[in-house]
Amino acid sequence: NAGVTQTPKFQVLKTGQSMTLQCAQDMNHEYMSWYRQDPGMGLRLIHYSVGAGITDQGEVPNGYNVSRSTTEDFPLRLLSAAPSQTSVYFCASSLSYRPEETQYFGPGTRLLVL
Amino acid sequence: TQLLEQSPQFLSIQEGENLTVYCNSSSVFSSLQWYRQEPGEGPVLLVTVVTGGEVKKLKRLTFQFGDARKDSSLHITAAQPGDTGLYLCAGARAGSYQLTFGKGTKLSVIP
Repeated sequence: NAGVTQTPKFQVLKTGQSMTLQCAQDMNHEYMSWYRQDPGMGLRLIHYSVGAGITDQGEVPNGYNVSRSTTEDFPLRLLSAAPSQTSVYFCASSLSYRPEETQYFGPGTRLLVL
Repeated sequence: TQLLEQSPQFLSIQEGENLTVYCNSSSVFSSLQWYRQEPGEGPVLLVTVVTGGEVKKLKRLTFQFGDARKDSSLHITAAQPGDTGLYLCAGARAGSYQLTFGKGTKLSVIP
């Protein structure tokens, strides 16, 4: 199993550009989520999904869209990038939505918005 | 307001010393988890505690969940350079699908 994979690893955008961060898992996990990690801020939840076709907002959803058409994939879309979205983005998955489940994290995508 | 407060934020100790990291909240959690993150990588789960008063040991690491399920601690005995990293606590309140993370404790163990 590859676990949780994220692409790209690094990305530089100009303000106003759009892009999609890809996340895929091959563990047949129901629950997937996106976090951003900023210095001194820990991990903050952007969006999450408890199963295919079901998504919901987390703590910091503004400026981001998600969809979950398959169990395996959970892409994160930046509609119009802003410098405040410069961050490291982590995708995670777990077997179910139960919070005591182990969260498996991808290696992260480092995004710089100029 | 941070739901989960971790302290200290930074910790630099000599190899062989003991240390304790704290994770506190005014809210009750159904469970708490501890993760360790190394530079350039995603967090990796160390332990999950689900019962108030629970103590779990993982080699030199001891984790405790408070009786009221509002706080947790991580104690490392005889720290080693390999323990260096960012330690994060995370929890969800009962009935919530959202996992909340603390800001983390950055630990450096000097040989």
